This record gives sequence, C-alpha cells and structure tokens, in this order.
Amino acid sequence: EAGVVQSPRYKIIEKKQPVAFWCNPISGHNTLYWYLQNLGQGPELLIRYENEEAVDDSQLPKDRFSAERLKGVDSTLKIQPAELGDSAVYLCASSLRGDRNNEQFFGPGTRLTVL
Amino acid sequence: QKEVEQNSGPLSVPEGAIASLNCTYSDRGSQSFFWYRQYSGKSPELIMFIYSNGDKEDGRFTAQLNKASQYVSLLIRDSQPSDSATYLCASSNDYKLSFGAGTTVTVRA
Repeated sequence: EAGVVQSPRYKIIEKKQPVAFWCNPISGHNTLYWYLQNLGQGPELLIRYENEEAVDDSQLPKDRFSAERLKGVDSTLKIQPAELGDSAVYLCASSLRGDRNNEQFFGPGTRLTVL
Repeated sequence: QKEVEQNSGPLSVPEGAIASLNCTYSDRGSQSFFWYRQYSGKSPELIMFIYSNGDKEDGRFTAQLNKASQYVSLLIRDSQPSDSATYLCASSNDYKLSFGAGTTVTVRA
C-alpha cells in the first residue's frame, strides 16, 4: 500500500513569490491534514479536511494561505505571497474517519525555504 | 501554556539501557495519546498509541497513561543506536492532534 505522497520535497523561493504544495493521501483515507513544522517544534495543524470539506481551518492564516481538496482526494496548499517566516516543513497526513484512535499517517513533507 | 509539554532533552543513554520519556497534557477532553518517532529530516512515524489508563507494551516500547495526572510516558527498553531520534508526544481530541515539541534521544554505542 502506497503511503502519503507529497511534492515537491524541497522548494526555495524568494519572499513575496507564490508557492504551492501537493498531497495525495493513502487510498481510502477520507480525512486529510496539513501541518506546519518549524525546526525543533512539533507539527502544528493548519487545516483538516473531511472528504472535500474543510472542517477545521481555524489555524490557517487566511490572508496568505489557501487550500483546496476539490474531489476529496488530492489536496493543494498555497501561500501567496510567501514571507521569510514561512520557511518550515509542510507535512500532509491522512487518516480513516471512524478510526477511534485517529491514527494519522504522515507524508515525507515539503521543506520550504524563503529567501 | 502549550497543550502538550515534553521533558526537555536531549536525552543521552548508553546502548542497552532504558530511555524514559515524559509528557503532560492540558486538555482533559483528550481521548487518545500517541508517540511518534521522527528521524532527522524525516516525517513522524507512529510507534505507539494508548487510550486507557495503565500500561501498554509493544516489543521494547511501553507506553503509560495516567488521565488523573494528565501524564503520558514512553519507556524504551534495551535501547539501540537505531532508536536515536526525536520522540513526539501527541494528544487527540475529536480528530485534532496536538503535539509536544519533542525530546531528542541519543543512544551511545
């Protein structure tokens, strides 16, 4: 069974430029999460999807961040414009709704560097 | 105050020893608790979860949960160099995972 797929793995951009990250969850997993992880910190939730619906986006900085999961499978996270402080690893995770233990499986992440 | 606090590291243990990791959480509504291992430059991988008070053992790993004290721990027995990583504690409430900052463990050969 394939795991969570993310691309690109690394991205270097200049500040004020736009950037987009892509995630393909584990087949059959209807819950998808985007996390941000700063160096030396644990992941912090940005947004959670149940199928195509964003059910928790309270931590997403909506002035510059946006996300979509149009067909309830793949998802894209976008930043426009990027700031220096956005440099971090962006992790995508997925889980199976109804799993009482909420076991989440993480992708390899995208390491973003904003210059 | 962060929702999940972990004992500050780094933690250095000799090979074959027991590594003890501690975690406290503030949300009394948390239902499940997780320990993730994260190697440098890699994504977190789940090693154990626990949702009932008491101990849960899986191989060389034992997780302990005390909901009254809002305390979770992880013991790694017979520590191996391959256990050198950052261990993240997380609590779950209604599908939301809250992570601690992690404790870095180094196993000395």
